[in-house]
Amino acid sequence: AQTVTQSQPEMSVQEAETVTLSCTYDTSENNYYLFWYKQPPSRQMILVIRQEAYKQQNATENRFSVNFQKAAKSFSLKISDSQLGDTAMYFCAPPDSRDDKIIFGKGTRLHILP
Amino acid sequence: KAGVTQTPRYLIKTRGQQVTLSCSPISGHRSVSWYQQTPGQGLQFLFEYFSETQRNKGNFPGRFSGRQFSNSRSEMNVSTLELGDSALYLCASREGQRLYNEQFFGPGTRLTVL
Repeated sequence: AQTVTQSQPEMSVQEAETVTLSCTYDTSENNYYLFWYKQPPSRQMILVIRQEAYKQQNATENRFSVNFQKAAKSFSLKISDSQLGDTAMYFCAPPDSRDDKIIFGKGTRLHILP
Repeated sequence: KAGVTQTPRYLIKTRGQQVTLSCSPISGHRSVSWYQQTPGQGLQFLFEYFSETQRNKGNFPGRFSGRQFSNSRSEMNVSTLELGDSALYLCASREGQRLYNEQFFGPGTRLTVL
């Protein structure tokens, strides 16, 4: 089965700092999509950012950007100028193309401190 | 458009009982996926339905079953409940069945098995 690893179970950073969440995965596919989802405390999971594997350019959404290293199968999320509202569980989600579904890492719990 | 809704939001059951959870996707979305979320295992894929057909299934015992109706609403059933079934059950809908489509999550049903 395909695996996805988020090596940082929990992180804390000061407000306004930059933080990077790591994710590595395994796939034999060449064209695919990867996602980062965010689950705030007691709130619904929402999409943060999406990367298309065949695009060399890293995706960016406002303060959120990714560092996608296709050969290394690495997909990290960078949050710039972190805000209190960024406090959440973050899940990396690459596709399990063999089974045609999305799989989720175990998540990184991020605390933004005032 | 209204978001994904799940009912009930909370459930308390005892071992051996059965339970049915309901999910109403965003209007126009024909794909509905179910996930089990626990602190130890993270999000684990249960199954996905598209146009009333189960198109994918995770590694869960046969006690876990689901179905989808013609209006895309989906139900998940767990029979002969075990203590280990205590979890947050998340439903997610997306417009198509392609993996690049963003998934929209509901608030979840928190099931406690005593």
